Amino acid sequence: DQQVKQNSPSLSVQEGRISILNCDYTNSMFDYFLWYKKYPAEGPTFLISISSIKDKNEDGRFTVFLNKSAKHLSLHIVPSQPGDSAVYFCAASGLLGNSGGGADGLTFGKGTHLIIQP
Amino acid sequence: GAGVSQSPRYKVAKRGQDVALRCDPISGHVSLFWYQQALGQGPEFLTYFQNEAQLDKSGLPSDRFFAERPEGSVSTLKIQRTQQEDSAVYLCASSLDRGAVGPQHFGDGTRLSIL
Repeated sequence: DQQVKQNSPSLSVQEGRISILNCDYTNSMFDYFLWYKKYPAEGPTFLISISSIKDKNEDGRFTVFLNKSAKHLSLHIVPSQPGDSAVYFCAASGLLGNSGGGADGLTFGKGTHLIIQP
Repeated sequence: GAGVSQSPRYKVAKRGQDVALRCDPISGHVSLFWYQQALGQGPEFLTYFQNEAQLDKSGLPSDRFFAERPEGSVSTLKIQRTQQEDSAVYLCASSLDRGAVGPQHFGDGTRLSIL
């Protein structure tokens, strides 16, 4: 059973418009969430995070929104640029150092491939 | 370099052979994680070290997988008697903080192919 779900395998957005990537989770023990960006043949690169005491965190063009009651988070990128084309992973953990299932690592979704069209 | 370094970048082995994958974390980082990423999937947690102590190995798929970090810096993931289902990208990540509290910084991974 997937505890972190990214239901859109891919998303195509025009350059300059807003990109919205979505993520749902099922484990109520999760209270720290991160977004990573990954280019082919490279490791994931940390983008932005949010803890459950907040509902929004902003860093430049990137904003993450957290809706705890719906167990849903989203990443907004505005304006979208060609260099944003990559696979985006949503990840979660528990601030107490575990993800509620006994594991100390991050639990990742399957990723969304974002394509920015010129 | 300033980032997490993994070697080799690519490894091809015959089924039944043993392999060893190396990770050089960012200097001073307390926490070190290993993940396995199959094609089309997100990374999956394997094991976690806090300095030299292996505090969590709940994600290791079998007793053929073994990891160590003897001096609290470089780590090695060893897979014995490899099988075809071990083919994946193995990612190492390090973090300044203890546990999965802060952002983890990933290396570029080792792509392992078992023939």
